[in-house]
Amino acid sequence: EDQVTQSPEALRLQEGESSSLNCSYTVSGLRGLFWYRQDPGKGPEFLFTLYSAGEEKEKERLKATLTKKESFLHITAPKPEDSATYLCAVSGGSNYKLTFGKGTLLTVNP
Amino acid sequence: SAVISQKPSRDICQRGTSLTIQCQVDSQVTMMFWYRQQPGQSLTLIATANQGSEATYESGFVIDKFPISRPNLTFSTLTVSNMSPEDSSIYLCSVGGASVASNEQFFGPGTRLTVL
Repeated sequence: EDQVTQSPEALRLQEGESSSLNCSYTVSGLRGLFWYRQDPGKGPEFLFTLYSAGEEKEKERLKATLTKKESFLHITAPKPEDSATYLCAVSGGSNYKLTFGKGTLLTVNP
Repeated sequence: SAVISQKPSRDICQRGTSLTIQCQVDSQVTMMFWYRQQPGQSLTLIATANQGSEATYESGFVIDKFPISRPNLTFSTLTVSNMSPEDSSIYLCSVGGASVASNEQFFGPGTRLTVL
């Protein structure tokens, strides 16, 4: 059974203070690892897909990396508008099911 | 990516009643899914809505409790039947990306359900 564990559960940063969120996973035959952002009262917003170890993707202040066991979402010089819950999910094997972690609640203070 | 809408956005229902949630997409999509997001928990897949055939349910979810329709490639409904307070949750539909091989999913805004 696929499993995803995210840490920390919550993270408070000062504006401009860079940090990383962790996503550890176990999956049989990785089809993709996905990062989403979720704002309160809204559905998850797609950020990145990573397919193989060593792959990296960037979008504005966010950079996602992937190893065989975990993924990191690096946030460089965050701003208050980056405050949200960040969700990690994996898909493996022959189906399209996404297995999600519980997310990391990021708060960036001005 | 596709624009996805859900109705209602929120509802408060009485125990023992049923609620049908609609998911509309602005373009034809092959894959549609229904998820549940309970407070403090991760998103959990309820079922895959298959066009023209019965939905495929995940372990722990049954058709009698969560009947699903998918009459065409742009629309699906999820019914939460005989509700109890434990069904209070956010229900989300998602659609597969432009390429089935990419496996990406895009989510609607969700329906926040409270059962009294």
